[in-house]
Amino acid sequence: GIQVEQSPPDLILQEGANSTLRCNFSDSVNNLQWFHQNPWGQLINLFYIPSGTKQNGRLSATTVATERYSLLYISSSQTTDSGVYFCAVAPSDNYGQNFVFGPGTRLSVLP
Amino acid sequence: DAGVIQSPRHEVTEMGQEVTLRCKPISGHNSLFWYRQTMMRGLELLIYFNNNVPIDDSGMPEDRFSAKMPNASFSTLKIQPSEPRDSAVYFCASSSQGVLTEAFFGQGTRLTVV
Repeated sequence: GIQVEQSPPDLILQEGANSTLRCNFSDSVNNLQWFHQNPWGQLINLFYIPSGTKQNGRLSATTVATERYSLLYISSSQTTDSGVYFCAVAPSDNYGQNFVFGPGTRLSVLP
Repeated sequence: DAGVIQSPRHEVTEMGQEVTLRCKPISGHNSLFWYRQTMMRGLELLIYFNNNVPIDDSGMPEDRFSAKMPNASFSTLKIQPSEPRDSAVYFCASSSQGVLTEAFFGQGTRLTVV
């Protein structure tokens, strides 16, 4: 099956810093989403981005499907950005079946 | 919309007891997913329904697990009998068209089997 890797596994930032999180996947996909799991365990939708670039406030994401990666940019980080960031992909060869999650990047933003 | 609603939020039960987790998807969504999250295995799909019909249950660990979707607005995940290794957070998610559209997750049920 498809392999999903995320890097870095852990990231510690000072408030106000910028960061880039990466998601690599081993096969073509129909769909890609980024989620933020906050310290209370809630999975919050950040981006639905099978291809292209999107921005939402301090966050933006780019997916280059032909090269099998996606990037999540966080600018001017805040302590509320802490948590785990997951990318989830839907493999093209598994049409309509499943989201496969990466292992996540754990982000800690220090005041 | 209230989003995907799961109940209970927390469940503590003794080994051997039956546990039922409940999910109400977003109105108008015709696809529903049950996921389990553990430290060891991360987030993994248990079962996927489309138009109330189970499409992919290959992630269901064993016969102790069963899931139903009697109508478009309700699904249950049952574990009978429960075991300590079933302790995890169980998430329900829904989307309008399988994995081709954006999926939204409920707040999860934290299950502890002692």
